[in-house]
Amino acid sequence: AQKVTQAQTEISVVEKEDVTLDCVYETRDTTYYLFWYKQPPSGELVFLIRRNSFDEQNEISGRYSWNFQKSTSSFNFTITASQVVDSAVYFCALTYNNNDMRFGAGTRLTVKP
Amino acid sequence: KAGVTQTPRYLIKTRGQQVTLSCSPISGHRSVSWYQQTPGQGLQFLFEYFSETQRNKGNFPGRFSGRQFSNSRSEMNVSTLELGDSALYLCASSNRGQGLYEQYFGPGTRLTVT
Repeated sequence: AQKVTQAQTEISVVEKEDVTLDCVYETRDTTYYLFWYKQPPSGELVFLIRRNSFDEQNEISGRYSWNFQKSTSSFNFTITASQVVDSAVYFCALTYNNNDMRFGAGTRLTVKP
Repeated sequence: KAGVTQTPRYLIKTRGQQVTLSCSPISGHRSVSWYQQTPGQGLQFLFEYFSETQRNKGNFPGRFSGRQFSNSRSEMNVSTLELGDSALYLCASSNRGQGLYEQYFGPGTRLTVT
């Protein structure tokens, strides 16, 4: 069975603070894909990143970085120098076949000015 | 390139009625997936269509059905609506055939059942 756990329901930070969103997953598949999506108040899910199970390299994109560790089944997301516009709900997701995605419950991030 | 579009954006229906939601994928994308998002259950996969065929199905009752047309546009139908069907219904498209795995989501249709 596939499962994604985002233990942090809500996080509140002050602008310019760094924040890490945790994601722990469970799967028996050897090939799988992990994703992060951002859902702003408008409701549309915005794709942030995809990682496949064979690529454990960490990735940095501007203020965003991702730490994928198969040994701990984690795929954490860090925002450096957070901004008010980063306020949203962030979802971590897992799929083995690309289209039946299992989402975590989401973490609501509030960045205060 | 235009994104995924969903119509209507908002809908209010009464218990027992049926509803049809529409999704137009990104041009060239042949895979369309549907998800239901509720505060209690979160985001749940409904089904996926690829080249007019249902390829995957989530754990939802038969009242939830869908189809895909030759132009890749997809519709989702819910019959005999229940109060618990009130949710944001999201559609996502991907260029699955090209080996790309990012799903691009539309803005959703917010369905309220009274």
